[in-house]
Amino acid sequence: EPEVTQTPSHQVTQMGQEVILRCVPISNHLYFYWYRQILGQKVEFLVSFYNNEISEKSEIFDDQFSVERPDGSNFTLKIRSTKLEDSAMYFCASREDGPRFFGPGTRLTVL
Amino acid sequence: DQQVKQNSPSLSVQEGRISILNCDYTNSMFDYFLWYKKYPAEGPTFLISISSIKDKNEDGRFTVFLNKSAKHLSLHIVPSQPGDSAVYFCAAQSGAGSYQLTFGKGTKLSVIP
Repeated sequence: EPEVTQTPSHQVTQMGQEVILRCVPISNHLYFYWYRQILGQKVEFLVSFYNNEISEKSEIFDDQFSVERPDGSNFTLKIRSTKLEDSAMYFCASREDGPRFFGPGTRLTVL
Repeated sequence: DQQVKQNSPSLSVQEGRISILNCDYTNSMFDYFLWYKKYPAEGPTFLISISSIKDKNEDGRFTVFLNKSAKHLSLHIVPSQPGDSAVYFCAAQSGAGSYQLTFGKGTKLSVIP
């Protein structure tokens, strides 16, 4: 069964450093998303991406964040200068025209 | 602001009995609702969904009920199995052009053998 994959599973970084989180969505899906879940809190929407551009973003997704689909398979989330409060699980999701399918997540720890 | 609320952080149920997980929402623009299950160290897994034109959707042991007038939905699992122990998230989407999926905080279900 096709699935969304994410790498790495755990990323530790120093505050102020740039990180890139990678996702491979399900191959025939057209809509891509990033969500995050801070420990003990709910899953929060960050950004949606369709047709090679951002469709919608939340207020969390500020200028420090960017997304890219550099080739036909990868979908990346970049955080330019990480802050302590960026520590969270980051989930990628994709969909065709039905429900979103989520990846296993990347745990980002900012020290 | 909590547009999607799951007021019970946890629920314990005996194996074989019914599990009922509840969810309330405040945004009347929501018209598509989903339940996701999440195990530790994994991403949310889609379980079942319901469109606002329906009041019930069933898939095997899982049934979702929607009461639009009360802005309430519930997930019934019957019979509950120990493997159902996980965190269950209710999520809602507005079809009016929004790509956002708004999640509740989740309910941790423990099914006791």
